[in-house]
Amino acid sequence: QKEVEQDPGPLSVPEGAIVSLNCTYSNSAFQYFMWYRQYSRKGPELLMYTYSSGNKEDGRFTAQVDKSSKYISLFIRDSQPSDSATYLCAPFLSGGYNKLIFGAGTRLAVHP
Amino acid sequence: KAGVTQTPRYLIKTRGQQVTLSCSPISGHRSVSWYQQTPGQGLQFLFEYFSETQRNKGNFPGRFSGRQFSNSRSEMNVSTLELGDSALYLCASSLPQSEQFFGPGTRLTVL
Repeated sequence: QKEVEQDPGPLSVPEGAIVSLNCTYSNSAFQYFMWYRQYSRKGPELLMYTYSSGNKEDGRFTAQVDKSSKYISLFIRDSQPSDSATYLCAPFLSGGYNKLIFGAGTRLAVHP
Repeated sequence: KAGVTQTPRYLIKTRGQQVTLSCSPISGHRSVSWYQQTPGQGLQFLFEYFSETQRNKGNFPGRFSGRQFSNSRSEMNVSTLELGDSALYLCASSLPQSEQFFGPGTRLTVL
Protein backbone atom coordinates (compact mmCIF):
# COMPACT_ATOMS: atom_id res chain seq x y z
CA GLN A 1 0.00 0.00 0.00
CA LYS A 2 1.33 3.43 -0.93
CA GLU A 3 1.66 6.00 1.83
CA VAL A 4 -0.46 8.45 -0.12
CA GLU A 5 -3.18 7.44 -2.57
CA GLN A 6 -4.64 9.89 -5.07
CA ASP A 7 -6.83 9.28 -8.08
CA PRO A 8 -4.81 10.45 -11.10
CA GLY A 9 -7.90 11.35 -13.11
CA PRO A 10 -8.03 13.02 -15.55
CA LEU A 11 -10.91 15.12 -14.35
CA SER A 12 -12.71 17.34 -16.86
CA VAL A 13 -15.24 19.92 -15.70
CA PRO A 14 -17.01 22.93 -17.20
CA GLU A 15 -16.02 26.42 -16.16
CA GLY A 16 -17.79 27.47 -12.96
CA ALA A 17 -18.10 23.95 -11.56
CA ILE A 18 -17.12 22.97 -8.03
CA VAL A 19 -14.18 20.58 -8.09
CA SER A 20 -13.37 18.07 -5.38
CA LEU A 21 -9.91 16.50 -5.25
CA ASN A 22 -9.10 13.85 -2.68
CA CYS A 23 -6.30 11.83 -1.14
CA THR A 24 -5.98 9.17 1.49
CA TYR A 25 -2.88 8.43 3.53
CA SER A 26 -1.73 5.67 5.80
CA ASN A 27 0.69 7.27 8.29
CA SER A 28 -1.26 8.71 11.22
CA ALA A 29 1.82 10.70 12.27
CA PHE A 30 1.45 13.17 9.40
CA GLN A 31 0.74 16.63 10.79
CA TYR A 32 0.83 19.02 7.83
CA PHE A 33 -1.09 18.50 4.65
CA MET A 34 0.08 20.33 1.55
CA TRP A 35 -1.56 20.85 -1.78
CA TYR A 36 0.69 21.64 -4.71
CA ARG A 37 -0.36 22.73 -8.18
CA GLN A 38 1.77 21.89 -11.21
CA TYR A 39 1.25 23.44 -14.59
CA SER A 40 2.55 21.71 -17.66
CA ARG A 41 6.34 22.02 -18.04
CA LYS A 42 6.65 23.74 -14.65
CA GLY A 43 7.70 22.69 -11.17
CA PRO A 44 5.05 22.27 -8.45
CA GLU A 45 4.03 25.34 -6.48
CA LEU A 46 2.50 25.30 -3.03
CA LEU A 47 -1.18 26.17 -3.22
CA MET A 48 -2.08 25.89 0.45
CA TYR A 49 -1.59 23.73 3.49
CA THR A 50 -3.41 22.80 6.67
CA TYR A 51 -2.15 21.70 10.05
CA SER A 52 -3.88 18.75 11.70
CA SER A 53 -7.63 18.31 11.18
CA GLY A 54 -10.01 20.98 10.02
CA ASN A 55 -10.67 23.34 7.15
CA LYS A 56 -8.72 26.19 5.64
CA GLU A 57 -10.07 28.56 3.06
CA ASP A 58 -8.12 30.75 0.65
CA GLY A 59 -10.22 32.52 -1.94
CA ARG A 60 -11.85 29.93 -4.17
CA PHE A 61 -9.86 27.10 -2.59
CA THR A 62 -10.73 25.14 0.55
CA ALA A 63 -8.51 22.44 2.03
CA GLN A 64 -10.05 19.93 4.40
CA VAL A 65 -8.40 17.29 6.58
CA ASP A 66 -10.07 14.45 8.47
CA LYS A 67 -7.32 12.75 10.45
CA SER A 68 -9.71 10.17 11.89
CA SER A 69 -10.31 8.73 8.43
CA LYS A 70 -6.93 9.81 7.01
CA TYR A 71 -8.67 11.68 4.24
CA ILE A 72 -7.70 15.03 2.73
CA SER A 73 -9.61 17.11 0.22
CA LEU A 74 -9.21 20.21 -1.87
CA PHE A 75 -12.28 22.02 -3.14
CA ILE A 76 -12.19 24.58 -5.92
CA ARG A 77 -15.22 26.82 -6.29
CA ASP A 78 -16.14 28.61 -9.49
CA SER A 79 -13.42 26.76 -11.38
CA GLN A 80 -11.64 28.63 -14.15
CA PRO A 81 -9.73 27.45 -17.23
CA SER A 82 -6.60 28.81 -15.52
CA ASP A 83 -7.11 26.16 -12.81
CA SER A 84 -6.28 23.48 -15.38
CA ALA A 85 -3.23 21.77 -13.91
CA THR A 86 -2.15 18.72 -11.95
CA TYR A 87 -2.93 18.90 -8.23
CA LEU A 88 -0.72 16.96 -5.86
CA CYS A 89 -1.39 16.26 -2.21
CA ALA A 90 1.62 15.91 0.06
CA PRO A 91 1.26 15.05 3.73
CA PHE A 92 4.25 16.17 5.73
CA LEU A 93 5.80 15.00 8.94
CA SER A 94 7.20 17.75 11.12
CA GLY A 95 10.74 16.86 12.04
CA GLY A 96 11.00 14.81 8.87
CA TYR A 97 13.08 17.62 7.49
CA ASN A 98 12.04 18.35 3.94
CA LYS A 99 10.95 14.95 2.72
CA LEU A 100 7.61 15.40 0.99
CA ILE A 101 5.64 12.30 0.06
CA PHE A 102 3.41 13.09 -2.88
CA GLY A 103 0.24 11.52 -4.14
CA ALA A 104 0.12 10.57 -7.81
CA GLY A 105 -1.47 13.91 -8.69
CA THR A 106 -4.88 14.52 -10.25
CA ARG A 107 -4.89 16.12 -13.67
CA LEU A 108 -7.71 18.68 -13.89
CA ALA A 109 -9.03 20.26 -17.07
CA VAL A 110 -11.55 23.11 -16.83
CA HIS A 111 -13.12 23.83 -20.19
CA PRO A 112 -14.87 27.10 -21.10
CA LYS B 1 14.04 37.52 -5.68
CA ALA B 2 15.17 34.97 -8.23
CA GLY B 3 13.60 31.54 -8.00
CA VAL B 4 15.21 28.14 -8.01
CA THR B 5 17.16 27.56 -11.18
CA GLN B 6 18.10 24.23 -12.67
CA THR B 7 20.50 23.46 -15.46
CA PRO B 8 20.36 22.06 -17.98
CA ARG B 9 16.62 22.09 -18.71
CA TYR B 10 16.81 19.19 -21.13
CA LEU B 11 19.30 16.39 -21.48
CA ILE B 12 19.59 13.32 -23.68
CA LYS B 13 21.97 10.53 -22.69
CA THR B 14 22.50 6.91 -23.62
CA ARG B 15 22.42 3.88 -21.36
CA GLY B 16 25.56 3.40 -19.33
CA GLN B 17 26.55 7.06 -19.33
CA GLN B 18 26.53 9.28 -16.30
CA VAL B 19 24.92 12.66 -15.83
CA THR B 20 25.25 15.63 -13.50
CA LEU B 21 22.39 18.02 -12.86
CA SER B 22 22.73 21.37 -11.16
CA CYS B 23 20.45 23.37 -8.86
CA SER B 24 20.85 26.91 -7.58
CA PRO B 25 18.53 27.60 -4.63
CA ILE B 26 16.81 30.82 -3.75
CA SER B 27 19.24 33.19 -2.07
CA GLY B 28 19.37 32.49 1.65
CA HIS B 29 17.92 28.99 1.40
CA ARG B 30 20.28 26.39 2.80
CA SER B 31 18.10 23.32 2.30
CA VAL B 32 17.97 21.71 -1.12
CA SER B 33 15.88 18.64 -1.91
CA TRP B 34 15.79 16.56 -5.07
CA TYR B 35 12.82 14.68 -6.49
CA GLN B 36 12.26 12.40 -9.46
CA GLN B 37 8.97 12.64 -11.35
CA THR B 38 7.82 9.92 -13.74
CA PRO B 39 4.38 9.12 -15.17
CA GLY B 40 4.39 5.72 -13.50
CA GLN B 41 5.77 6.51 -10.03
CA GLY B 42 4.88 10.17 -9.68
CA LEU B 43 7.01 12.49 -7.59
CA GLN B 44 9.49 10.63 -5.42
CA PHE B 45 11.96 12.06 -2.91
CA LEU B 46 15.62 11.42 -3.72
CA PHE B 47 17.57 13.24 -1.01
CA GLU B 48 17.93 16.47 0.92
CA TYR B 49 21.00 18.51 1.72
CA PHE B 50 21.42 21.13 4.37
CA SER B 51 24.66 23.00 5.00
CA GLU B 52 26.58 20.59 2.75
CA THR B 53 25.32 17.51 4.63
CA GLN B 54 22.86 14.94 3.39
CA ARG B 55 20.09 14.86 5.99
CA ASN B 56 17.61 12.53 4.40
CA LYS B 57 17.61 9.98 1.63
CA GLY B 58 14.85 8.30 -0.35
CA ASN B 59 14.69 4.75 -1.55
CA PHE B 60 16.88 4.96 -4.63
CA PRO B 61 19.92 2.89 -5.61
CA GLY B 62 23.44 4.09 -4.94
CA ARG B 63 23.78 5.17 -8.57
CA PHE B 64 21.97 8.31 -7.47
CA SER B 65 24.15 10.66 -5.47
CA GLY B 66 24.36 14.32 -4.69
CA ARG B 67 26.31 17.00 -2.99
CA GLN B 68 25.95 20.54 -1.81
CA PHE B 69 28.50 23.29 -1.94
CA SER B 70 29.25 26.01 0.59
CA ASN B 71 27.14 28.48 -1.40
CA SER B 72 24.16 26.05 -1.09
CA ARG B 73 24.21 25.17 -4.77
CA SER B 74 23.64 21.48 -5.26
CA GLU B 75 24.37 18.86 -7.85
CA MET B 76 23.00 15.40 -8.31
CA ASN B 77 24.71 12.66 -10.24
CA VAL B 78 23.33 9.52 -11.79
CA SER B 79 25.88 6.95 -12.89
CA THR B 80 25.41 4.01 -15.26
CA LEU B 81 22.17 5.38 -16.65
CA GLU B 82 19.27 3.04 -17.28
CA LEU B 83 16.23 3.57 -19.50
CA GLY B 84 14.07 3.82 -16.37
CA ASP B 85 16.01 6.86 -15.22
CA SER B 86 14.24 8.94 -17.86
CA ALA B 87 12.31 11.46 -15.80
CA LEU B 88 11.85 15.03 -14.76
CA TYR B 89 14.29 15.81 -11.96
CA LEU B 90 13.10 18.56 -9.68
CA CYS B 91 15.04 20.53 -7.15
CA ALA B 92 13.43 22.44 -4.29
CA SER B 93 14.90 24.86 -1.81
CA SER B 94 13.60 26.13 1.49
CA LEU B 95 14.30 27.78 4.79
CA PRO B 96 14.23 25.40 7.78
CA GLN B 97 10.83 23.71 8.26
CA SER B 98 9.28 26.00 5.70
CA GLU B 99 7.66 25.90 2.27
CA GLN B 100 9.67 24.23 -0.46
CA PHE B 101 10.04 26.20 -3.67
CA PHE B 102 10.53 24.09 -6.75
CA GLY B 103 12.57 24.80 -9.83
CA PRO B 104 11.33 24.07 -13.37
CA GLY B 105 13.16 20.76 -13.47
CA THR B 106 15.60 19.02 -15.77
CA ARG B 107 14.05 16.60 -18.22
CA LEU B 108 16.39 13.66 -18.71
CA THR B 109 15.88 11.23 -21.55
CA VAL B 110 17.92 8.03 -21.60
CA LEU B 111 18.13 6.25 -24.95
